[in-house]
Amino acid sequence: GAGVSQSPSNKVTEKGKDVELRCDPISGHTALYWYRQSLGQGLEFLIYFQGNSAPDKSGLPSDRFSAERTGGSVSTLTIQRTQQEDSAVYLCASSLALNQPQHFGDGTRLSIL
Amino acid sequence: GQNIDQPTEMTATEGAIVQINCTYQTSGFNGLFWYQQHAGEAPTFLSYNVLDGLEEKGRFSSFLSRSKGYSYLLLKELQMKDSASYLCAVRDRGNNRLAFGKGNQVVVIP
Repeated sequence: GAGVSQSPSNKVTEKGKDVELRCDPISGHTALYWYRQSLGQGLEFLIYFQGNSAPDKSGLPSDRFSAERTGGSVSTLTIQRTQQEDSAVYLCASSLALNQPQHFGDGTRLSIL
Repeated sequence: GQNIDQPTEMTATEGAIVQINCTYQTSGFNGLFWYQQHAGEAPTFLSYNVLDGLEEKGRFSSFLSRSKGYSYLLLKELQMKDSASYLCAVRDRGNNRLAFGKGNQVVVIP
């Protein structure tokens, strides 16, 4: 597709369950980023991938959060043993390179009951 | 680390001009981005400044002063569709991450 694609668009799950969020970046973009946006808050950086380099995981809030990027393209963000404070919109972005503008997907709205 | 500060909300009249300010502190500045975000939608890229001065792009202009740690986004000839949150984001040279401010909500009224 032409833009960054994220799935699912909405996810409701019970506390304690694991969830997996998917991001398809723009074709040819080497950098991929995950952010979290809570109501009324700014975007909180979680992790980024650049080419074959080791990802910058310094924004992940706890060891329940992990992310992978397979084949330099699709990425999945996994949250284990979800908590209510994990409820937020999870946004993925990609860019041609690290110093280029980031293009965002529409996000996954995650609600933990 | 980085510290990004933006005012939270402003109201302006259709056809008017509005200026949205952003101040930042960073240990190694490497560019400033402005994004527009409509409610419930993804942020979309508006402008990028890495050198001091004004970048003009149609009705939107962005200004940067690195010595003052300050940027503004100028919206001219406001239209109703400009009602959105405007996010300032700063990249740090040390880690290439983007740090976002909380955004400034602009409400355009007839």
